[in-house]
Amino acid sequence: DAKTTQPPSMDCAEGRAANLPCNHSTISGNEYVYWYRQIHSQGPQYIIHGLKNNETNEMASLIITEDRKSSTLILPHATLRDTAVYYCIAFLRNSGNTPLVFGKGTRLSVIA
Amino acid sequence: EPEVTQTPSHQVTQMGQEVILRCVPISNHLYFYWYRQILGQKVEFLVSFYNNEISEKSEIFDDQFSVERPDGSNFTLKIRSTKLEDSAMYFCARASGVTGELFFGEGSRLTVL
Repeated sequence: DAKTTQPPSMDCAEGRAANLPCNHSTISGNEYVYWYRQIHSQGPQYIIHGLKNNETNEMASLIITEDRKSSTLILPHATLRDTAVYYCIAFLRNSGNTPLVFGKGTRLSVIA
Repeated sequence: EPEVTQTPSHQVTQMGQEVILRCVPISNHLYFYWYRQILGQKVEFLVSFYNNEISEKSEIFDDQFSVERPDGSNFTLKIRSTKLEDSAMYFCARASGVTGELFFGEGSRLTVL
């Protein structure tokens, strides 16, 4: 799986959009971009994933650049409960049972 | 999606003792995983389990570790002789298919003294 690079930490004001960047310049054509988050010491929580097209669900939006070398996770109206470590993972689906590999992620602090 | 339930939530044990951590996923899921997270460190993959067999395991998953699904519902991780460095949060996860969409439990905190 391709390596991803994320800033170690970010701050965001409550109510504003949180834009979390991720670089994955070596991503292959059939690797998906997955985002997870981990609130305090809870289990990681799946947020969203995409391949080429931008995706949106009830939690977030995922914007993937046309060359697929980077992506941005957008939390449109961040709340204090969104304070967490956010992980961007490049993952090859249909590869048997190859596991997700978590990096260090970005620690997002939402500030009142 | 239904959640994964893990027990115990916290276990304290003496070094050298055996520990069994349990995970109760939904029985019709076929893909299960154990991850661990040492305090302040990354979430690390231990083992994946598909169709009642280990399909992938990491270097961490040595002979001291074993997994099984004894009754078709519970999914267990056993550590035969715990070491101090086994102290960590252990997370069970399940997936409904070959996908990166995993559903994690709340974790079991293991403290080895």
